[in-house]
Amino acid sequence: NAGVTQTPKFQVLKTGQSMTLQCAQDMNHEYMSWYRQDPGMGLRLIHYSVGAGITDQGEVPNGYNVSRSTTEDFPLRLLSAAPSQTSVYFCASRSYGTGAVYEQYFGPGTRLTVT
Amino acid sequence: AQSVTQLDSQVPVFEEAPVELRCNYSSSVSVYLFWYVQYPNQGLQLLLKYLSGSTLVESINGFEAEFNKSQTSFHLRKPSVHISDTAEYFCAVSVVKGAQKLVFGQGTRLTINP
Repeated sequence: NAGVTQTPKFQVLKTGQSMTLQCAQDMNHEYMSWYRQDPGMGLRLIHYSVGAGITDQGEVPNGYNVSRSTTEDFPLRLLSAAPSQTSVYFCASRSYGTGAVYEQYFGPGTRLTVT
Repeated sequence: AQSVTQLDSQVPVFEEAPVELRCNYSSSVSVYLFWYVQYPNQGLQLLLKYLSGSTLVESINGFEAEFNKSQTSFHLRKPSVHISDTAEYFCAVSVVKGAQKLVFGQGTRLTINP
């Protein structure tokens, strides 16, 4: 198993550009989520999904879009990048519902810089 | 809504000394509690979790945490640290019912000095 994979590992964008951060998992997990990590603020939830076709907002959703067309993939879209979106982004997945293990698996992260 | 406060942003200790990383949470409903570890330039890994049962939970590498409901705390302890324990540690909480979103504390950077 590859676990949770994220691409790219590093990205530099100019203000106003758009891009998609890719996330995939091969553990058949229903629950997937995106976090951003900023110094002194821990990890903050951006969006999450409890299954294909179902997404919801987290703590800091503004400026980001998500969709979940398959169980495996959960891309994060930045429609018009801003310097405030400079951060490290983590994707995570876990099982959900009755019998869930409650262990969340994290990807290696994407370091994004917006100039 | 739930919240987590990690009381120390940085904790420096000498190798083989004991350490305690403090975590307090706020919630009006029942919660699950977690500690995650992030080694330099890596993602997060689950260190230990409290779901139910014994309030003292242990990890395979010598860490332990105790759930104290009356004090709403979940402090992480290790009796003797090693250089390899240098990392950032995150406390997190999830409500038992509903979407079970994970809410993280701000993190504590543990630095082990030889």
